[in-house]
Amino acid sequence: AQTVTQSQPEMSVQEAETVTLSCTYDTSESDYYLFWYKQPPSRQMILVIRQEAYKQQNATENRFSVNFQKAAKSFSLKISDSQLGDAAMYFCAYAYNNNDMRFGAGTRLTVKP
Amino acid sequence: DTGVSQDPRHKITKRGQNVTFRCDPISEHNRLYWYRQTLGQGPEFLTYFQNEAQLEKSRLLSDRFSAERPKGSFSTLEIQRTEQGDSAMYLCASSAGDRDNYGYTFGSGTRLTVV
Repeated sequence: AQTVTQSQPEMSVQEAETVTLSCTYDTSESDYYLFWYKQPPSRQMILVIRQEAYKQQNATENRFSVNFQKAAKSFSLKISDSQLGDAAMYFCAYAYNNNDMRFGAGTRLTVKP
Repeated sequence: DTGVSQDPRHKITKRGQNVTFRCDPISEHNRLYWYRQTLGQGPEFLTYFQNEAQLEKSRLLSDRFSAERPKGSFSTLEIQRTEQGDSAMYLCASSAGDRDNYGYTFGSGTRLTVV
C-alpha cells in the first residue's frame, strides 16, 4: 500500500523568508504523481504544485518549488519569500495510474509578520 | 463553470438520523471522488466514480454509507443511522482523469456534526 508521511506537524517562518516542508512516501511503482495542496483555514483545498515521477526536473510555480528525490522517495516543498497569505495547512499527496489520491497528515504553516 | 459545488456547507444531525450530501463536479470532469477529513488530519479516501460507475470503495465506507452518481453528473453521499464518529468534513473532488491534466479540484466540503 502506498503511504505518505509528513513528519512536521507544524512549521513557522518569518515573512519574506524561505521555508521547506518535508514529505516522504512509500511505493513500489515507478510512474506516479506527487502533489502539494494548500488548505487555508475554513477554505477549500487548492493545488499548489505537482510533479510527475518520470520527469527528473523539479517542478516550480512562482515562489513554490519542489525537491524531488525519487530514489529516496522524498518530495519537499520550498516556499520562497513567504507571505502572510501562505499560512495554511499543507498536504503532500501521491497518486498512481490515475487512481485515487492519498494524502499525508499535513503540516500547519504559520507565517510571522 | 464555477468549480466543484457541495451542498449543504454544514449539517447538524441527531445520532441515528440519515443524511445526504450532494456534489456537483466540474462539468467536463468524468471522475468524481469523495473524501473524509477529520480535524487536524489529511483527507481519507472513501470512494470514486468514473462517469456513473463506482470503481473503488475504501474499507472506511461501511454498510451505512452509500454513494451514487446517476447519469455521470452530480453525486450524492448518504449516511444512514449516523454515529458521533461520522462527524467530519466530507470533501468532494473531480478530475479530468487524463494523464496530461492530472490533479483534483476540490469543493468547499460539507461539515457534518452528529450530536
